[in-house]
Amino acid sequence: KAGVTQTPRYLIKTRGQQVTLSCSPISGHRSVSWYQQTPGQGLQFLFEYFSETQRNKGNFPGRFSGRQFSNSRSEMNVSTLELGDSALYLCASSLSPTDTQYFGPGTRLTVL
Amino acid sequence: AQSVTQPDIHITVSEGASLELRCNYSYGATPYLFWYVQSPGQGLQLLLKYFSGDTLVQGIKGFEAEFKRSQSSFNLRKPSVHWSDAAEYFCAVGSLSSNDYKLSFGAGTTVTVRA
Repeated sequence: KAGVTQTPRYLIKTRGQQVTLSCSPISGHRSVSWYQQTPGQGLQFLFEYFSETQRNKGNFPGRFSGRQFSNSRSEMNVSTLELGDSALYLCASSLSPTDTQYFGPGTRLTVL
Repeated sequence: AQSVTQPDIHITVSEGASLELRCNYSYGATPYLFWYVQSPGQGLQLLLKYFSGDTLVQGIKGFEAEFKRSQSSFNLRKPSVHWSDAAEYFCAVGSLSSNDYKLSFGAGTTVTVRA
């Protein structure tokens, strides 16, 4: 089975721009979670989607949003980028919300 | 609320020596426990997990971990490390509260392997 894929792998944006990141889960997995990883804050939970519904959301501003499509693929969007949004964004998929999460390679976002 | 503590930020070990990474958690019930490994610039790879049953679990790459309820610990071990084991290791705890499941991560332990 193919693993979790994330596109693009690398992104460079400037402050004020917006960005969309994509995640394709493992086939058959219906739950997708997003995490932000930075050296200072570590791994922080952004949100989780299951069957196209957001089930949980972490403590991030409204500039961070996401959605899930009927084929379980998910996207996250960050609007009005700030320098502090530079991070590795990781997507994880699981069969259901309480099952083991398998991670993708991440998208490295750099905001200049 | 649950929390995960990895007391060691950085560990250096010689190739061929044994390795033990510590993980302590705070959670009222029996949690789901995981160890993940991350190589530079990569995502997290699952090493092993504990849900219930035998408290000593075997994982990939020769790793094992032991769940000790009395100590709220889930330490990761490997008898003989290889240079390729140099990476960052994360302990994670899955907890269920009010029908919401949350996966919480420790801050990570960076392992350096010297020849």
